[in-house]
Amino acid sequence: DAGVIQSPRHEVTEMGQEVTLRCKPISGHNSLFWYRQTMMRGLELLIYFNNNVPIDDSGMPEDRFSAKMPNASFSTLKIQPSEPRDSAVYFCASRPGQGMDYGYTFGSGTRLTVV
Amino acid sequence: GQQLNQSPQSMFIQEGEDVSMNCTSSSIFNTWLWYKQEPGEGPVLLIALYKAGELTSNGRLTAQFGITRKDSFLNISASIPSDVGIYFCAGRNQGGKLIFGQGTELSVKP
Repeated sequence: DAGVIQSPRHEVTEMGQEVTLRCKPISGHNSLFWYRQTMMRGLELLIYFNNNVPIDDSGMPEDRFSAKMPNASFSTLKIQPSEPRDSAVYFCASRPGQGMDYGYTFGSGTRLTVV
Repeated sequence: GQQLNQSPQSMFIQEGEDVSMNCTSSSIFNTWLWYKQEPGEGPVLLIALYKAGELTSNGRLTAQFGITRKDSFLNISASIPSDVGIYFCAGRNQGGKLIFGQGTELSVKP
């Protein structure tokens, strides 16, 4: 099992540019989550999907952020246009089954720096 | 929204000492989880607790789900240098969301 795979591991971009973060969940996991981690705010849930359907996006900061899950094995988080305050580590996590009380498995994260 | 208060924020201990950290909330959670995060990596699950009052061990780690369902603690016995990292509690609410504490940064001096 390769675990949750995120790419890229690091991204440095200029303010105003579009940024796309990618995630491949563990095969067979039905739920996928996007988190953002900063020193000030800790780990914040941005959005989560069950069976590829977005369930709760109330954590998405603003319209510049969007997430998609076109199939069970792939999800993207897009920021357009990016701003310096978006700099953070973005984690993707997956979990087997909506109704099961299992912990999430996290990817290694994408460290985003917007200059 | 729901918040978890995790304490302490940081700990500096000597190798061999025991460690204790806890999380409290004004809200009830159905599940409590404890994670460890090392630099450059995502959080890794250590212990999961599913019932009020449950006490679970994983090697030198012991965690308990509070009777009121509003708190949990994690103990590490006989700490070693590789215990260094940031420990997070997380509570899963009835809506299925996982809410994280702010973390406890542990440093172990050999």
